[in-house]
Amino acid sequence: SQQGEEDPQALSIQEGENATMNCSYKTSINNLQWYRQNSGRGLVHLILIRSNEREKHSGRLRVTLDTSKKSSSLLITASRAADTASYFCATDSYGNNRLAFGKGNQVVVIP
Amino acid sequence: DVKVTQSSRYLVKRTGEKVFLECVQDMDHENMFWYRQDPGLGLRLIYFSYDVKMKEKGDIPEGYSVSREKKERFSLILESASTNQTSMYLCASSFSVAAPRQPQHFGDGTRLSIL
Repeated sequence: SQQGEEDPQALSIQEGENATMNCSYKTSINNLQWYRQNSGRGLVHLILIRSNEREKHSGRLRVTLDTSKKSSSLLITASRAADTASYFCATDSYGNNRLAFGKGNQVVVIP
Repeated sequence: DVKVTQSSRYLVKRTGEKVFLECVQDMDHENMFWYRQDPGLGLRLIYFSYDVKMKEKGDIPEGYSVSREKKERFSLILESASTNQTSMYLCASSFSVAAPRQPQHFGDGTRLSIL
């Protein structure tokens, strides 16, 4: 069953602005991951946050996790045209690498 | 570099045909997965495998079967293709059940059209 669910919005921003996406889930998790998908391509792993972590950074990416609210957010700072993609959150509730993906959030960065 | 290769990027088949989608990974990963991706529905897990000759049903296994005869290869089979199986199919692999918190690595997908 689907666990991760992003806010179902398409985001259009100017290059240099920040982009924020949210994800909510329903049951307890072991970790939460974010993936990016460029048009016509497979998904690429961006970042993983464990259930006992609250915030994690990787380059221009910042992920937060609030297990009390069962939600996560992905922030991309100083966006670039190359950040145009769909972004998916995925939860691992089984501890065995089986992931439940959300529906994705499309981001368009205008040069 | 990690690589998951799906045999076809685009495939057109007819209703009732038996369709094979092939996926090969070169990372010696134990876990392999098949998803389908449809607009507005995200990725849905069809089948996965933790080892050779082992398979488990995902969330939407009806109308599909899988085969894993070798560790590096995971095949998805549409026994009798139907138009509602027109979709993007994504294969993924990850290291091991014994090593949780490993990311999944995806192929570029096969866009399958059933006429």
